[in-house]
Amino acid sequence: QVQLVQSGAEVREPGASVKVSCKVSGYTLTELSMHWVRQAPGKGLEFMGGFHPEDGEAIYAQNFQGRVTVTEDTSTDTTYMELRSLSSDDTAVYYCASSLCYTTSCPLDYWGQGTLVTVSS
Amino acid sequence: SYVLTQPPSVSVAPGQTARVTCGGNNIGSETVHWYQQKPGQAPVLVVYDDTDRPSGIPERFSGSNSGNTATLTISRVEAGDEADYYCQVWDSGSDHPVVFGGGTKMTVL
Repeated sequence: QVQLVQSGAEVREPGASVKVSCKVSGYTLTELSMHWVRQAPGKGLEFMGGFHPEDGEAIYAQNFQGRVTVTEDTSTDTTYMELRSLSSDDTAVYYCASSLCYTTSCPLDYWGQGTLVTVSS
Repeated sequence: SYVLTQPPSVSVAPGQTARVTCGGNNIGSETVHWYQQKPGQAPVLVVYDDTDRPSGIPERFSGSNSGNTATLTISRVEAGDEADYYCQVWDSGSDHPVVFGGGTKMTVL
């Protein structure tokens, strides 16, 4: 079974950046494709970016292009999501999620516990 | 980009059957996944590949997908099923590769 443990809550000022981590156990990163999804207070789920299940290349939702970067460290089985130029609209819970299969019909099988990022001056 | 449309809310009495719909253009040709999210918790996959259940998910949860509508059906609804439910597809190659529906809040009366 995959377990995903995320880093703790963060508070940032507008204009700053935040980097959230997600540590994988039970499997190695090379066996998974990892993704990031956020949820603003009282709102639905929003895909940000991740790694394409077929070729492993980073993919991003257009809403976040140029502002978000997802990376992986296979030596520690940890994936990261960095979001830049934060505004109050970025206040949300950020989730990492994993897929165990290698096609673009894959579900997001397992989810981290979420990391609250608060953007406030 | 591909759009998935869900009703904002559904209500059902305990013991009855709940149906949560997810509309999309020719969604029957897509592979649909469903997630349950309870307040303050991370989403949990409850149905994948239109109709399959992950290990540990009760048989009361089932899915179907045809034409322009995918449906999550929850039989013999229990109070513990009260949650938000989201459908999801891949729209590979588009500017929104992973698409979620807006979510449906299911209330158990």
